[in-house]
Amino acid sequence: QKEVEQNSGPLSVPEGAIASLNCTYSDRGSQSFFWYRQYSGKSPELIMSIYSNGDKEDGRFTAQLNKASQYVSLLIRDSQPSDSATYLCAVLTSGTYKYIFGTGTRLKVLA
Amino acid sequence: KAGVTQTPRYLIKTRGQQVTLSCSPISGHRSVSWYQQTPGQGLQFLFEYFSETQRNKGNFPGRFSGRQFSNSRSEMNVSTLELGDSALYLCASSLGYPGTSGYNEQFFGPGTRLTVL
Repeated sequence: QKEVEQNSGPLSVPEGAIASLNCTYSDRGSQSFFWYRQYSGKSPELIMSIYSNGDKEDGRFTAQLNKASQYVSLLIRDSQPSDSATYLCAVLTSGTYKYIFGTGTRLKVLA
Repeated sequence: KAGVTQTPRYLIKTRGQQVTLSCSPISGHRSVSWYQQTPGQGLQFLFEYFSETQRNKGNFPGRFSGRQFSNSRSEMNVSTLELGDSALYLCASSLGYPGTSGYNEQFFGPGTRLTVL
């Protein structure tokens, strides 16, 4: 079982729509969760971090965390073509404090 | 505040050679992690250094090694290069205090793209 799982996509959404990206993780003790955006040929860029159950909003981005279900998601409102990228979910595991990354979901926003 | 810097940005080597990559973290950050990214395997953790000590290690062969200096700058070395080592090598820095919310956000450098011929 992979430690952090994401659907590889591509996830295609029309411009202006809400894009919903999902991630599940296996380490029940994990406390820190991150979303990164990576454009083709570039390095990952931190978008959001979330540590508590519930929602955390930052501009057009909302991260949602449900530790009981071991599930974290990222919503992008009013999606723009410039949001087209691969989105990586990362989890900081308990105990060993290793960052484990999912393989990423490729998002395509259609103009 | 300056971001994470990595040198060189691009590197071409041949099989059997060795290579050293350098990373300068964000000022004040004491943790540096290294990752290998390939299209097939995604982002794979190599190792992490905190205050000059290796704190974590991924599942890579001993040909991959690293170190961290007292100013938090880090280097990684790959000896006896193989074709499969061709990848984007990413360095990420954080304040480095695990278990404390807000102190463990990692920020990535631009990467070093290594091509092994």
